[in-house]
Amino acid sequence: NAGVTQTPKFRVLKTGQSMTLLCAQDMNHEYMYWYRQDPGMGLRLIHYSVGEGTTAKGEVPDGYNVSRLKKQNFLLGLESAAPSQTSVYFCASTSAGPDGYGYTFGSGTRLTVV
Amino acid sequence: LAKTTQPISMDSYEGQEVNITCSHNNIATNDYITWYQQFPSQGPRFIIQGYKTKVTNEVASLFIPADRKSSTLSLPRVSLSDTAVYYCLVGPRGTGRRALTFGSGTRLQVQP
Repeated sequence: NAGVTQTPKFRVLKTGQSMTLLCAQDMNHEYMYWYRQDPGMGLRLIHYSVGEGTTAKGEVPDGYNVSRLKKQNFLLGLESAAPSQTSVYFCASTSAGPDGYGYTFGSGTRLTVV
Repeated sequence: LAKTTQPISMDSYEGQEVNITCSHNNIATNDYITWYQQFPSQGPRFIIQGYKTKVTNEVASLFIPADRKSSTLSLPRVSLSDTAVYYCLVGPRGTGRRALTFGSGTRLQVQP
């Protein structure tokens, strides 16, 4: 099915370890986003991209890096994981066109840092 | 970007109609109003979008008054499966869409 695919779905990291979360979309969307959601909270924007090769900071970018080398992929990296980064991470994408379909979200990556 | 305010939580019973209101006093001329639904352990999903008056689809209705400073999501005859968090977002479409922020949403609990 067309949509947004996130890998991995679950991960446990030790403090100080690094990892990369992968987001892939097959809808030819221009815009892609990484959000984090802590328990009982809303989504907070980490980084986003408005096109291949471009990225921008969101509300909570510290401790994360991103890359968008291909239009369909958006990678989120944690260089040195901290317990405060324990969260559920959602990737989303949307079109830059005038359609009204809004964001398409992935199913999330549940990350625990111990 | 227009700031939105919506109730933190609401309770209802199966079969009732639920109306969730969102305030967006500083909505811009080119802003649209979009509602998303999020079930536990899932990403939000698009429910409905509108610009003015009333929009209806198979899931919900969206009522927008003439001044567009608020909007109401209406869920007819809710069931237990409608228990979720509902987010109201306001912003432009197309190239202006860029990065919209999600607030804490409204947590709807439907009881049997």
